[in-house]
Amino acid sequence: DAKTTQPPSMDCAEGRAANLPCNHSTISGNEYVYWYRQIHSQGPQYIIHGLKNNETNEMASLIITEDRKSSTLILPHATLRDTAVYYCIVRNNNDMRFGAGTRLTVKP
Amino acid sequence: NAGVTQTPKFRILKIGQSMTLQCTQDMNHNYMYWYRQDPGMGLKLIYYSVGAGITDKGEVPNGYNVSRSTTEDFPLRLELAAPSQTSVYFCASSSTLQGNQPQHFGDGTRLSIL
Repeated sequence: DAKTTQPPSMDCAEGRAANLPCNHSTISGNEYVYWYRQIHSQGPQYIIHGLKNNETNEMASLIITEDRKSSTLILPHATLRDTAVYYCIVRNNNDMRFGAGTRLTVKP
Repeated sequence: NAGVTQTPKFRILKIGQSMTLQCTQDMNHNYMYWYRQDPGMGLKLIYYSVGAGITDKGEVPNGYNVSRSTTEDFPLRLELAAPSQTSVYFCASSSTLQGNQPQHFGDGTRLSIL
């Protein structure tokens, strides 16, 4: 079973920041937090990952709380093409359990 | 810029038939994985491989077999197709088994068994 809890769906206005929350209260010290997204029926697309520190790349920012029990993925300026299912995954070695994710709908 | 390539993209099988789903990667990754995704659900790990000649079971291995004769290729075989195996199958690869490097996914094979 997935080790994370995410809201099933969220809406966001185009051009605004999308903040997707994830709870992972049972995370272990050596487990990473990963975010992937799946657009329509394509393969999962890697977005970002982190261990303890906040991370930023060209796609998004990842904010991890100090106790590491939750995190937030931030898409700074959401576009219509960001409409997708977003998966938050806690990963150690090959064990990458996908849950049902959050369906983000970006609206004009 | 190929990454992980899966063939075929779509396939319809009859119950009891067999087939092989192909997966190849050009990133020289040692680690490769097969997942299945049922409608509305997340991905579940079927098998994985840590290098040529070495494979191991994931969460849902029953009804499947794999082999890894080269670093590049990791085929998944269904011997006796059953309706419960109707799903979308994704292959992935990574440079390490540890959690600090991402897995990269192919675009999937959509398999229907009737």
